[in-house]
Amino acid sequence: GENVEQHPSTLSVQEGDSAVIKCTYSDSASNYFPWYKQELGKRPQLIIDIRSNVGEKKDQRIAVTLNKTAKHFSLHITETQPEDSAVYFCAASISPRDQFYFGTGTSLTVIP
Amino acid sequence: GAGVSQSPRYKVAKRGQDVALRCDPISGHVSLFWYQQALGQGPEFLTYFQNEAQLDKSGLPSDRFFAERPEGSVSTLKIQRTQQEDSAVYLCASSSLHQNTEAFFGQGTRLTVV
Repeated sequence: GENVEQHPSTLSVQEGDSAVIKCTYSDSASNYFPWYKQELGKRPQLIIDIRSNVGEKKDQRIAVTLNKTAKHFSLHITETQPEDSAVYFCAASISPRDQFYFGTGTSLTVIP
Repeated sequence: GAGVSQSPRYKVAKRGQDVALRCDPISGHVSLFWYQQALGQGPEFLTYFQNEAQLDKSGLPSDRFFAERPEGSVSTLKIQRTQQEDSAVYLCASSSLHQNTEAFFGQGTRLTVV
């Protein structure tokens, strides 16, 4: 089955700096890679996703890159703000309609 | 409804007690997933329904775990004879079958077995 690894487990950055979170996956059948943000005690919320036919996708301060050959994908947050502080999970799946395999999460702290 | 709703939000069970966790998916969503999230970990897949059919239950950790969705809408995850290792947040997610759908998660039920 699919195995998703995520690094780092914790990340602290100064407000305004960039944050990068990296994930690898093992199953070449995976084609859909969402990123979820989970604040303490709240539901995971989709912040961006990418499909295997695209190498990069950007939405304002958030971008995701995918290297299907190397089986890794990354989340980039620029101009970080304190409200970006949360746990971020990457996931891999065949499609958004199938089960997700999640990474172990990255706890991001943005220091004002 | 406006989103995926789960109840109860918190449940404390004595070891050996049976519990039932409820998930109300977004209206019209055909697909429903249950995940288990241990403290400090990512969610792990338990089971998947398409309408009332349970198409995949490969993630259920033991035969003490049982899920149903009899009318293709509300789903219940039942855990019999709870044990301490069952302590976790149980998340429900629903999605449509459209190609560009998104999986929406509920807030979860935090189960603590004492």
